[in-house]
Amino acid sequence: AQTVTQSQPEMSVQEAETVTLSCTYDTSENNYYLFWYKQPPSRQMILVIRQEAYKQQNATENRFSVNFQKAAKSFSLKISDSQLGDTAMYFCAFMKHASNAGNMLTFGGGTRLMVKP
Amino acid sequence: DAMVIQNPRYQVTQFGKPVTLSCSQTLNHNVMYWYQQKSSQAPKLLFHYYDKDFNNEADTPDNFQSRRPNTSFCFLDIRSPGLGDAAMYLCATSPGAITYEQYFGPGTRLTVT
Repeated sequence: AQTVTQSQPEMSVQEAETVTLSCTYDTSENNYYLFWYKQPPSRQMILVIRQEAYKQQNATENRFSVNFQKAAKSFSLKISDSQLGDTAMYFCAFMKHASNAGNMLTFGGGTRLMVKP
Repeated sequence: DAMVIQNPRYQVTQFGKPVTLSCSQTLNHNVMYWYQQKSSQAPKLLFHYYDKDFNNEADTPDNFQSRRPNTSFCFLDIRSPGLGDAAMYLCATSPGAITYEQYFGPGTRLTVT
């Protein structure tokens, strides 16, 4: 079974600054996918960024980038130039390589991020 | 332009009174999931459908059941809600084995009185 740990229950950052959210995971799988999902207050969860474990290059989506360390089983999210709209709960999630039974996500406990003006 | 729709957004039910939550999707995705998310916790997968094949998580209580009458719709039935079942229920979809992203609905917040 996989486990995902987010060690920072809450974080805050000043608008326009950079913040890094931590995530570690435990798995015996070699092929898998990692995700960061964002859940704003009272709004639906959306995908921020994803990383395929077989790719060495860190994924980047505009202001969001990850630091994927496969050997250390670490997958942190960096948000640059933080904006007020980044205030949300952020979940790190793990998914095994696809199977015919569907693709199950294992979520971490979440980090509540507040961006301060 | 809604893709995953959940109705109602807020549901209040009485202790022990059956309740049904609904999810529909316009994405024509093969897989539909139901998650339970309690306050300030991570979503927990209850079960999912891959097409018509139902997959129950081992620790999902028997009190929770699901139906998927067609590709677009999926229902979560709680036969006898208890106070501990009060939570946000999230529906999600994904295309299937090739694409891994899950698309979430806005959720239904269930209150049990």
